[in-house]
Amino acid sequence: DIQMTQSPSSLSAFVGDRVTITCRASQSISSYLNWYQHKPGKAPELLIYAASSLQSGVPSRFSGSGSGTDFTLTISSLQPEDFATYYCQQSYSTLLTFGGGTRVEI
Amino acid sequence: QVQLVESGGGVVQPGRSLRLSCAASGFIFSNYGMHWVRQAPGKGLEWVALIWYDGSNKYYADSVKGRFTISRDNSKNTLYLQMNSLRAEDTAVYYCARGDFRVSSGWDLGNWGQGTLVTVSS
Repeated sequence: DIQMTQSPSSLSAFVGDRVTITCRASQSISSYLNWYQHKPGKAPELLIYAASSLQSGVPSRFSGSGSGTDFTLTISSLQPEDFATYYCQQSYSTLLTFGGGTRVEI
Repeated sequence: QVQLVESGGGVVQPGRSLRLSCAASGFIFSNYGMHWVRQAPGKGLEWVALIWYDGSNKYYADSVKGRFTISRDNSKNTLYLQMNSLRAEDTAVYYCARGDFRVSSGWDLGNWGQGTLVTVSS
């Protein structure tokens, strides 16, 4: 199985901050990488697919980059509604795997 | 709009079985692969299983292979997860999700249900 490692596991930030979350794959996965936002009690939401493509309806302050084994999710200016847990997910293998998550809190 | 509604969760003893359902609406169910994903208390998301749009292919995480069975009834727009030989570590919120397959980037999960809680405890 392909292992996905996210860092940091949690971070504290202020509204307006630029936030960067990294995700590393245990082998090269090209651009087969997606990012999700998950708030407690809610369904997860797809933010970014194919490493850098913004899902329809997602604010442009979210962006993704990377290929191969190293990927980044960036929130350019953190908003109050962005406090949540973020997960990367590889889609290179049919057996999908998620990273451990990054909790973004005040 | 796309709607996915899970049901069937509850408290079950170790070693027993449970079947989850996911009712889909707002899209052509028979055109899409469907996934189950779970989240144990205080833990992250874990992918569980995938079934192709026509049910012809099924894939499972190693943690559930041989115990869980994913299936679908396209005439009823419903996805299922039959869970046998349940263990305490299967305790989680179980989500169904619609899979969108892109040739250039594989599966992403663009629509999710609200989840149903399964608790395995004696």
